[in-house]
Amino acid sequence: DGGITQSPKYLFRKEGQNVTLSCEQNLNHDAMYWYRQDPGQGLRLIYYSQIVNDFQKGDIAEGYSVSREKKESFPLTVTSAQKNPTAFYLCATSKRGAVTNEKLFFGSGTQLSVL
Amino acid sequence: AQKITQTQPGMFVQEKEAVTLDCTYDTSDQSYGLFWYKQPSSGEMIFLIYQGSYDEQNATEGRYSLNFQKARKSANLVISASQLGDSAMYFCAMSEFNFGNEKLTFGTGTRLTIIP
Repeated sequence: DGGITQSPKYLFRKEGQNVTLSCEQNLNHDAMYWYRQDPGQGLRLIYYSQIVNDFQKGDIAEGYSVSREKKESFPLTVTSAQKNPTAFYLCATSKRGAVTNEKLFFGSGTQLSVL
Repeated sequence: AQKITQTQPGMFVQEKEAVTLDCTYDTSDQSYGLFWYKQPSSGEMIFLIYQGSYDEQNATEGRYSLNFQKARKSANLVISASQLGDSAMYFCAMSEFNFGNEKLTFGTGTRLTIIP
């Protein structure tokens, strides 16, 4: 069935470790996004990509990296430089990017915790 | 100043009653969009409704309607005949066009609990 698949659902990171969150979509959407959600706060944009092999930093990109080698995939790596990575991470897509009326489609999220 | 303000951290509503979730926004753009998303306990965000800044009619989607008051910069979500399944977090969001870099800003959300 069509949609956005995020894995794993839960992830634990040790100090100094890089971890990668997976996001795959079969909606044939051009744009993909990564958001971070902390308790009591709204979603904050980490990175986004409007086309393959291109991506832009969002509001809180420090300590994170992404790649967009395929249209269907937009993995997020949380590096050891991210000192407070514990949060809920949501991947989203839209048919096109840079359009004010585009609604987002979301995955079911990954909860990342630090051991 | 906050771009999106949701002043109700939590609300309790009796089943079958209507509920209004408040959202005010701040922008100097003429062209912008306003969204409401629902986040059940499963975590996935679900699109509910959209209102464009130039739309003269309030948006409606089934039991959801958006009470858009442009002069007051208000975009409240109204849910008619609430159901137990409406219990969730609700987020208001605003998109602003920025020359190819659309910026979407979310509010902090309102937790709605429907009481049987």
